[in-house]
Amino acid sequence: SAVISQKPSRDICQRGTSLTIQCQVDSQVTMMFWYRQQPGQSLTLIATANQGSEATYESGFVIDKFPISRPNLTFSTLTVSNMSPEDSSIYLCSVELAGRFYSYNEQFFGPGTRLTVL
Amino acid sequence: ILNVEQSPQSLHVQEGDSTNFTCSFPSSNFYALHWYRWETAKSPEALFVMTLNGDEKKKGRISATLNTKEGYSYLYIKGSQPEDSATYLCAFMGGNKLVFGAGTILRVKS
Repeated sequence: SAVISQKPSRDICQRGTSLTIQCQVDSQVTMMFWYRQQPGQSLTLIATANQGSEATYESGFVIDKFPISRPNLTFSTLTVSNMSPEDSSIYLCSVELAGRFYSYNEQFFGPGTRLTVL
Repeated sequence: ILNVEQSPQSLHVQEGDSTNFTCSFPSSNFYALHWYRWETAKSPEALFVMTLNGDEKKKGRISATLNTKEGYSYLYIKGSQPEDSATYLCAFMGGNKLVFGAGTILRVKS
């Protein structure tokens, strides 16, 4: 299993500013994932972050808007750049590890960062 | 684009009521179906990972069924308690990524 912490837990930001979200895992993992959930929408994968290489972004998400760092195997950051009200969401990081479900990996999530952009 | 739909969007029940919600997903290229419980200000927690058509899983008062041929899964909660109040997410794995539904928000009144 994994214990994941995120900072900040919530923030209220002004339009045009940037916010960096930190994610810390209590074990070494190869891949870390960043998701967001806009109000009333599904949890959507933003990007996959591998240590030592550039993050892989999903369709509709770009590095200039959501730069990601992955300096080691237990830590990652996601920056939401030049924010607008549409970026108001819950942002979660997650990792995939062998869990309780036999041979299938379980996805462990952080508690999320609730962002409101005014 | 894979579409995973959950219904209802929200549900209010009285303590002791039994309830169920639905997750619909593509019936092709099925690999696994995950159910999560997400309480406010906490991390989403995996309840079940289901892989075989006809699978039934149970954890305490919560159980789930899976029909991969028609593309749906049901989550049942027997004798709901206030501590069951949470958002219940399902996620479909057809390749190497999880595609989530928007969730069902359950509120249990005591």
